[in-house]
Amino acid sequence: EVQLVESGGGLVQPGGSLRLSCAASGFTFSTYWMTWVRQTPAKGLEWVASIKEDGSEKYYVGSVRGRFTISRDNAKNSLYLQMNSLRAEDTAVYYCAKNGDYDLDVWGKGTTVTVSS
Amino acid sequence: DIVMTQTPLSSPVTLGQPASISCRSSQSLVRSDGNTYLSWLQQRPGQPPRLLIYKISNRFSGVPDRFSGSGAGTDFTLKISRVAAEDVGIYYCMQGSQSPWTFGQGTKVEIK
Repeated sequence: EVQLVESGGGLVQPGGSLRLSCAASGFTFSTYWMTWVRQTPAKGLEWVASIKEDGSEKYYVGSVRGRFTISRDNAKNSLYLQMNSLRAEDTAVYYCAKNGDYDLDVWGKGTTVTVSS
Repeated sequence: DIVMTQTPLSSPVTLGQPASISCRSSQSLVRSDGNTYLSWLQQRPGQPPRLLIYKISNRFSGVPDRFSGSGAGTDFTLKISRVAAEDVGIYYCMQGSQSPWTFGQGTKVEIK
């Protein structure tokens, strides 16, 4: 069974950092692009970042570029999102997703990030 | 960025009756490779999104055939031929034709 399990969410103060992880199983992780998407009640679903199979290409939404870093460890079947200089507007449920053919065909259950003092 | 606009935002339906959701993009979603990367996602209450339809009209693995997608260019439609109780949730369209990928605001399907 294809599965994605996120972890690392929590409460952090503005300006702080957090590292999200996503453990993948049930498919050949190293052969797929991977993506982080976040969801808030106010803004809905928002694509955050994507990374190529070998990590050689990375893309970010403008609002996080320079603050967030997507990475992966194919030996550990894991995807990461390092989030620095966090702001209140980064508060969201963060989902890890497997890329299909320019779509997102498998999603994790999500991890909640709250940025508040 | 491409803006995805869904209508209606809420759709109360009777069990067994059809439902239809529209999604319009601010630019054509036809990519340079000739494909149109418009997908539909379902989010049941308390669950993560789940892929239903990809490339306009292709049902993803395990998706019941009461779900169908159609459209072209900038106008797309998701139809449920006979709404079942488990179809309650929020439906989103998503475009993957141009970066950044963007989502519609969601349409809530509920039972009357």
